[in-house]
Amino acid sequence: DTGVSQDPRHKITKRGQNVTFRCDPISEHNRLYWYRQTLGQGPEFLTYFQNEAQLEKSRLLSDRFSAERPKGSFSTLEIQRTEQGDSAMYLCASSPVVGAYEQYFGPGTRLTVT
Amino acid sequence: LAKTTQPISMDSYEGQEVNITCSHNNIATNDYITWYQQFPSQGPRFIIQGYKTKVTNEVASLFIPADRKSSTLSLPRVSLSDTAVYYCRDNYGQNFVFGPGTRLSVLP
Repeated sequence: DTGVSQDPRHKITKRGQNVTFRCDPISEHNRLYWYRQTLGQGPEFLTYFQNEAQLEKSRLLSDRFSAERPKGSFSTLEIQRTEQGDSAMYLCASSPVVGAYEQYFGPGTRLTVT
Repeated sequence: LAKTTQPISMDSYEGQEVNITCSHNNIATNDYITWYQQFPSQGPRFIIQGYKTKVTNEVASLFIPADRKSSTLSLPRVSLSDTAVYYCRDNYGQNFVFGPGTRLSVLP
């Protein structure tokens, strides 16, 4: 297994467009997390899944954001009607249920909204 | 609101031991303490975790006192490649919060 992968690595979009990011976790991991990180800040938690169930969402996740993990494997994060303030690195991480304190992060998707 | 507090930045020289201390003022009984390392344009990388006393792996040591209100990450004999941001965290419920981290600069 090569770890957590994310696609695309970079995305440039115009304000008002919709974007979708994909995350493929480590195959045997049940939990999948999404974070957002802006320059000079630590990652901010957005949401997480255990298998296909979305168990928690941060108040940072406005109604323009939606995340899915339909079969308990890969996950998508969609941002509708993007705003310049959405420009950030979007990070995905996964972990097994046991030992969930240790999270494995992907390389991130850098979103630039122009 | 970050639950942990750590220095914003630290400088060190190659070959020195570096200790980064984090305050965990709101740590809960069941929380574990974890530390991550992050290089620019990469996701954080797990370094070490512990509950109390001392934990050591091939990368670092983690010291946690009995009251668990703080933790110290110890990096032995740092090199230039250890220049990165280091995050401490403890798990509060299911919200996995990161603070701003400590930016470690290792100088030649």
